[in-house]
Amino acid sequence: AQSVTQPDIHITVSEGASLELRCNYSYGATPYLFWYVQSPGQGLQLLLKYFSGDTLVQGIKGFEAEFKRSQSSFNLRKPSVHWSDAAEYFCAVGDGSGYSTLTFGKGTMLLVSP
Amino acid sequence: NAGVTQTPKFQVLKTGQSMTLQCAQDMNHEYMSWYRQDPGMGLRLIHYSVGAGITDQGEVPNGYNVSRSTTEDFPLRLLSAAPSQTSVYFCASSYRNEAFFGQGTRLTVV
Repeated sequence: AQSVTQPDIHITVSEGASLELRCNYSYGATPYLFWYVQSPGQGLQLLLKYFSGDTLVQGIKGFEAEFKRSQSSFNLRKPSVHWSDAAEYFCAVGDGSGYSTLTFGKGTMLLVSP
Repeated sequence: NAGVTQTPKFQVLKTGQSMTLQCAQDMNHEYMSWYRQDPGMGLRLIHYSVGAGITDQGEVPNGYNVSRSTTEDFPLRLLSAAPSQTSVYFCASSYRNEAFFGQGTRLTVV
């Protein structure tokens, strides 16, 4: 069965500093990987996705993620965090069936300090 | 383009009451799914459907029923609500491995 681990429950970053959120997955075949962001009381917004090809994926809002098969990781990065990035971030893996049954990690809450 | 629409946005139920959470999509996607979100648990799959007339269970199906009579609609039914079903519920439709989520329904069972 597929699984996703987000080791950090909370992360606090100073505004303007760089950010890396960790995600490790377990899946037997080539994974379909996603990062979603959720602001308080809101739905989930897709930041970026990896299906195949270039292992460095660019997303919206200046985010990027790198797929590392050898480490079973798909870490999310941003070079300079803005206060508006404060939210909860979810990593997810899809089963590749074409229908995207997703398995989510438990989320990382990002706090941005002035 | 409305995407995925969930109603209601908020609901309070008493233990034992029944209700239906509505989900509609206008993207003509075959695949739809329901997740529940609990603090510290991420999102967990309740039920999913790969097309009209076809549904299957996900990770946490107990206490929930679904049916899919049309491509557009995928309602989630709670037949006898329990406090353990207090959660935020998200409906999603998917196309080519990408899921599109509704805004969620926050359900409280007292």
